[in-house]
Amino acid sequence: AIRMTQSPSSLSASTGDRVTITCRASQGISSYLAWYQQKPGKAPKLLIYAASTLQSGVPSRFSGSGSGTDFTLTISCLQSEDFATYYCQQYYSYPRTFGQGTKLEIK
Amino acid sequence: QVQLQESGPGLVKPSQTLSLTCTVSGGSISSGSYYWSWIRQPAGKGLEWIGRIYTSGSTNYNPSLKSRVTISVDTSKNQFSLKLSSVTAADTAVYYCARDKVAVAGTVLDVWGKGTTVTVSS
Repeated sequence: AIRMTQSPSSLSASTGDRVTITCRASQGISSYLAWYQQKPGKAPKLLIYAASTLQSGVPSRFSGSGSGTDFTLTISCLQSEDFATYYCQQYYSYPRTFGQGTKLEIK
Repeated sequence: QVQLQESGPGLVKPSQTLSLTCTVSGGSISSGSYYWSWIRQPAGKGLEWIGRIYTSGSTNYNPSLKSRVTISVDTSKNQFSLKLSSVTAADTAVYYCARDKVAVAGTVLDVWGKGTTVTVSS
């Protein structure tokens, strides 16, 4: 199985900050990468797929980049509703695998 | 818009079979280019993909669970189901069903149910 490793595991930031989360795959996955946001007690929500394509309805302050093994999720101007846990997921091969998550907390 | 809802027992005894159903509303389970998936999340931990099914009955399973998992679909009821046999406490988790949509290439989980908590305990 492809191992997905996110960094950092947790991150403290303030409203208005720009933050970047990194995801690394244990082998090349082309651009078969998605990002999800999960708030406590809620299901994950798809933000980005194909590494950089914004899901319909997701604010443009979210962006993704990368290909191969290294990927990033950037939030350009943090809003209060963005404090959550973020997961990357590869869909290049089976089994689908997720990163361990990055918890974004208010500073 | 499509909505998914998980249902099933919240408590299962060790060694028994966990059975959950996901009901799809707001659209036909047979329409479009969609697979239908199960994912789980132990409390305070990350997400684990269990497997998925296409309405033709074709399935893909996580090898770590494959010997214990069966996913099936009932298009007449607009539902798909998960069975996980020989459960232990390690199977205690929130179980989510999700729609797996064909994207630019590959498929992504674009619609999720709210999740249902299953506890394995005697």
